[in-house]
Amino acid sequence: DAGVIQSPRHEVTEMGQEVTLRCKPISGHNSLFWYRQTMMRGLELLIYFNNNVPIDDSGMPEDRFSAKMPNASFSTLKIQPSEPRDSAVYFCASSPTSAGELFFGEGSRLTVL
Amino acid sequence: AQSVAQPEDQVNVAEGNPLTVKCTYSVSGNPYLFWYVQYPNRGLQFLLKYITGDNLVKGSYGFEAEFNKSQTSFHLKKPSALVSDSALYFCAVRRDTDKLIFGTGTRLQVFP
Repeated sequence: DAGVIQSPRHEVTEMGQEVTLRCKPISGHNSLFWYRQTMMRGLELLIYFNNNVPIDDSGMPEDRFSAKMPNASFSTLKIQPSEPRDSAVYFCASSPTSAGELFFGEGSRLTVL
Repeated sequence: AQSVAQPEDQVNVAEGNPLTVKCTYSVSGNPYLFWYVQYPNRGLQFLLKYITGDNLVKGSYGFEAEFNKSQTSFHLKKPSALVSDSALYFCAVRRDTDKLIFGTGTRLQVFP
């Protein structure tokens, strides 16, 4: 199994630009999670989906952030417009059940200048 | 609301000695508890979990954790530490099918 696949692994962009992060969960997993990791705030849950439906997006920091899961094998996290304080590592994780352990991707390191 | 605390930012231990990384939790109802490890520039890797049953849970790489309901703790342990165990360790808790909440992490440093 290829595991959770995230792209890009690294992104450097300028303030105001749109950023799209992508995630392919493990086949057969029906829950998908987006986390953000920073030194200051640690690991924060942004949003999670069950069976492609957003269940809890209370962690999404602002309207500039949006996430979609159009099908069981793909999800995107979009930031528009991006700001320097959005610089972080963004992790996608999937789980075979809503109560099981999470399997994490390698993360997307975002730097906003 | 559920929460988890890792009281130590860093734990230092000599290779070959036993190690403990502490975790306490707060959740209404029965907790689901997890430990993850993160190596530099990598994603988190699952180590072990407690759902129900035996309070002592064995996981990957020789790690184990003990669920203590009265103390609301789930400390991670290993009888003999390796230098390669040096990493960032996260405890996490969820209530039933609710979202998984992570602690702030504990950096484990094993010295040769």
